[in-house]
Amino acid sequence: EDQVTQSPEALRLQEGESSSLNCSYTVSGLRGLFWYRQDPGKGPEFLFTLYSAGEEKEKERLKATLTKKESFLHITAPKPEDSATYLCAVTRGGADGLTFGKGTHLIIQP
Amino acid sequence: EAQVTQNPRYLITVTGKKLTVTCSQNMNHEYMSWYRQDPGLGLRQIYYSMNVEVTDKGDVPEGYKVSRKEKRNFPLILESPSPNQTSLYFCASSFGTSGENEQFFGPGTRLTVL
Repeated sequence: EDQVTQSPEALRLQEGESSSLNCSYTVSGLRGLFWYRQDPGKGPEFLFTLYSAGEEKEKERLKATLTKKESFLHITAPKPEDSATYLCAVTRGGADGLTFGKGTHLIIQP
Repeated sequence: EAQVTQNPRYLITVTGKKLTVTCSQNMNHEYMSWYRQDPGLGLRQIYYSMNVEVTDKGDVPEGYKVSRKEKRNFPLILESPSPNQTSLYFCASSFGTSGENEQFFGPGTRLTVL
C-alpha cells in the first residue's frame, strides 16, 4: 500500500526565516511526486511535479527536490502570504490517482 | 478562464435523501476524479474516470456513485447519504487518461449529513 508521510504537521516561522518541509513516501513504481498548496476553504493548487530522483524545481521562494525515499520543499525567506497547508502526493501512474499525505500547516509571522 | 466548477458549494441534508454534486471542467481533460478531505485523514480518492463512459473505484468508493456521459461533466451521486459522509469534497481533472499528470482541483463542496 502506498504511503505518504509529511513532517512536521505544523510549522511556525518568522518572516524571512528559511526552512524545509519533508515528504517521505513508500510507493511501488513511483511515476510522479506532486506538491500542492491549499489555502483555507479552497481546493489544492498545483506547485510542482517531480519524476525522478535528483530532480529539482523552483518557483519564486519555493524549491522542491526528490530522492528515492523523500522529497523536500524548501522555502527561502518566506513572506506571510506563503502561509498555507502544503500537500505532498504520489502516483504510480496508469489509472491510479493521487495518494496524499496529511499536509504541513505553515504559518509565517510578520 | 480554465477551471473546474462544483455545485453546490455548501449543502446540509438529512440521512437517506439522495443528492448529486455536480462537477464540470472547461479544459477538455480526459481524466477526472473525486476526493474527500477529512481532518486527520487527508485527501482520499473516491472514484475516477479515464474517459467518457470509463469509471472505476478509488480508495473509498462505498456509498457513492458516479457517471461520465460527457467529457466535461463528472457528477458524484450519494443515493442514501449517511452522517459518515459528512466531509469536504473535491473534484479534479487532468490531461491524458492516467492519473500521473498535474490535476486541477475545484473549489470544494462542504457536505453535512444530519
